Amino acid sequence: GAVVSQHPSWVICKSGTSVKIECRSLDFQATTMFWYRQFPKQSLMLMATSNEGSKATYEQGVEKDKFLINHASLTLSTLTVTSAHPEDSSFYICSAMEELAKNIQYFGAGTRLSVL
Amino acid sequence: AQTVTQSQPEMSVQEAETVTLSCTYDTSESDYYLFWYKQPPSRQMILVIRQEAYKQQNATENRFSVNFQKAAKSFSLKISDSQLGDAAMYFCAYRSALINNDMRFGAGTRLTVKP
Repeated sequence: GAVVSQHPSWVICKSGTSVKIECRSLDFQATTMFWYRQFPKQSLMLMATSNEGSKATYEQGVEKDKFLINHASLTLSTLTVTSAHPEDSSFYICSAMEELAKNIQYFGAGTRLSVL
Repeated sequence: AQTVTQSQPEMSVQEAETVTLSCTYDTSESDYYLFWYKQPPSRQMILVIRQEAYKQQNATENRFSVNFQKAAKSFSLKISDSQLGDAAMYFCAYRSALINNDMRFGAGTRLTVKP
């Protein structure tokens, strides 16, 4: 299947700093990318959807100024957690979908963010 | 809004035996896709099987098969000849065929495989 690379896999940062997470589709062009947040022992919660070259669509309750998403190319999307606080600590997962892949979403391995 | 319900938080199966994970969903749409994803301890989401709503035939992938009952809005996953590597969280997911970002996940079922 298609491969989605997510980096870093684990990041620790100080409160107030910003953290950038990258999501790359390695062997296909991702027309749409998704960012999820997963709390321990819970399901995936969709944060936002991004299409290449356009602004991301955020789910209700997700602060767009806190979680900046950029989808500058068909193979790269980034999520920047700005002015991170301990409550932002979580597992973040990106996912990419190829238009011709019949709506199958391929997932990155996730990023564990710990804010001290 | 569409919802996906997995009523079994945890399930257990003996190695080599068969287990069925339940999933129901609620939708008013007629065209959609259903998925089962596996999330092992590594937390990498892996697509197990996929079903298109317009297809009556149940999807099968090796030891994994589904029982898709469209009228009942039920989409269960059967794992045959269970292996230790099948132990993971299993998520049922629904995607609308109309809206690209409308994918909903169930709460998940944790499957334990006993040797």
